[in-house]
Amino acid sequence: DTAVSQTPKYLVTQMGNDKSIKCEQNLGHDTMYWYKQDSKKFLKIMFSYNNKELIINETVPNRFSPKSPDKAHLNLHINSLELGDSAVYFCASSQRLGREAFFGQGTRLTVV
Amino acid sequence: AQSVTQLDSHVSVSEGTPVLLRCNYSSSYSPSLFWYVQHPNKGLQLLLKYTSAATLVKGINGFEAEFKKSETSFHLTKPSAHMSDAAEYFCVVSDRRGQNFVFGPGTRLSVLP
Repeated sequence: DTAVSQTPKYLVTQMGNDKSIKCEQNLGHDTMYWYKQDSKKFLKIMFSYNNKELIINETVPNRFSPKSPDKAHLNLHINSLELGDSAVYFCASSQRLGREAFFGQGTRLTVV
Repeated sequence: AQSVTQLDSHVSVSEGTPVLLRCNYSSSYSPSLFWYVQHPNKGLQLLLKYTSAATLVKGINGFEAEFKKSETSFHLTKPSAHMSDAAEYFCVVSDRRGQNFVFGPGTRLSVLP
């Protein structure tokens, strides 16, 4: 029973394509996040949703658009993919703001 | 605003010897502090957390950390390293409102036989 699951695990795509990464949590948490981990392992928050409402939107290109159809899901859609978008993207959830976050296994995105 | 400094990008220890991974934080509010571990090609797992209760926090796999407000530190320790501890370790600070959950740059722990 995976608590936070994201699909796909690996994604290889060409520049200019549009792709989505899906995330689901079965923990009953109110808050969900997307993080980007670069090649140097640095993790930076991209978005945070609380009760389906966007509360954190860091400086991320508007090609990235999160969608939260319900509290258990937070999907990430990326338009016009660029080489620099290659990274590992982690979804996470927490019971509420400020509490410990539980992470998915990550999606390794490679743009060629 | 919060920030986290992990003073060592890489720590190498021999199996059976103590581990010390250093973390210093900056926060305008009373912080919550966490340590996460990431094994190669894996997700992040919570090791332990400090949320204003006891300053000495015990976590999983024999790890513990001590919150020292005067030193703005939250160093992670383990008395005896095991080969399976080799991984990347991240210190994280969050303000109580949870508006920000900031990761440190990470420390890679190597354990030598």
